[in-house]
Amino acid sequence: ETGVTQTPRHLVMGMTNKKSLKCEQHLGHNAMYWYKQSAKKPLELMFVYSLEERVENNSVPSRFSPECPNSSHLFLHLHTLQPEDSALYLCASSYSAGSTDTQYFGPGTRLTVL
Amino acid sequence: SQQGEEDPQALSIQEGENATMNCSYKTSINNLQWYRQNSGRGLVHLILIRSNEREKHSGRLRVTLDTSKKSSSLLITASRAADTASYFCATGGNQFYFGTGTSLTVIP
Repeated sequence: ETGVTQTPRHLVMGMTNKKSLKCEQHLGHNAMYWYKQSAKKPLELMFVYSLEERVENNSVPSRFSPECPNSSHLFLHLHTLQPEDSALYLCASSYSAGSTDTQYFGPGTRLTVL
Repeated sequence: SQQGEEDPQALSIQEGENATMNCSYKTSINNLQWYRQNSGRGLVHLILIRSNEREKHSGRLRVTLDTSKKSSSLLITASRAADTASYFCATGGNQFYFGTGTSLTVIP
């Protein structure tokens, strides 16, 4: 649909598990983003990568670890999460990192932490 | 807060009516964008208006921007049931800031 895919679409994990979220974009973009969307809260920007380098880290706890091996792929590694981390995690990409470009979003991963 | 704040939080209208959503923000911006999100899905870009523009149209969408009042509005004309979704404004300065959105329900 938008050229950005995310897997898995749903994930249930315990607090001691380690899991990873994957995002792939087929748009030839140079920037990729992770957002967290919780109920009744604004979308929270977590990380920004530009040309595979992290350019933004908005005070995200270390239990979230991003990885960008190339400009088409972005991962979010999760470990020892808390129940309040349950949310919809959205990946997005844009031609360049910055606010003038349209961001294209993936469908999201619905994460539930038990 | 630098986020855009949408108003109202929820809006319910009959099919065929117009829907108007407002967005207010606090800092200077380069542009303002509107996005739509169907339940549990990703956001889809609708329209971008630059800080030097006052009005922009795209199909049934009309966006206005008043930088003196730091506000924008999104008008959807002749609404359809398929327009039911959440609508977000995103203010572009150094980075994007999204609000909590307006939940629009169009009743067939």
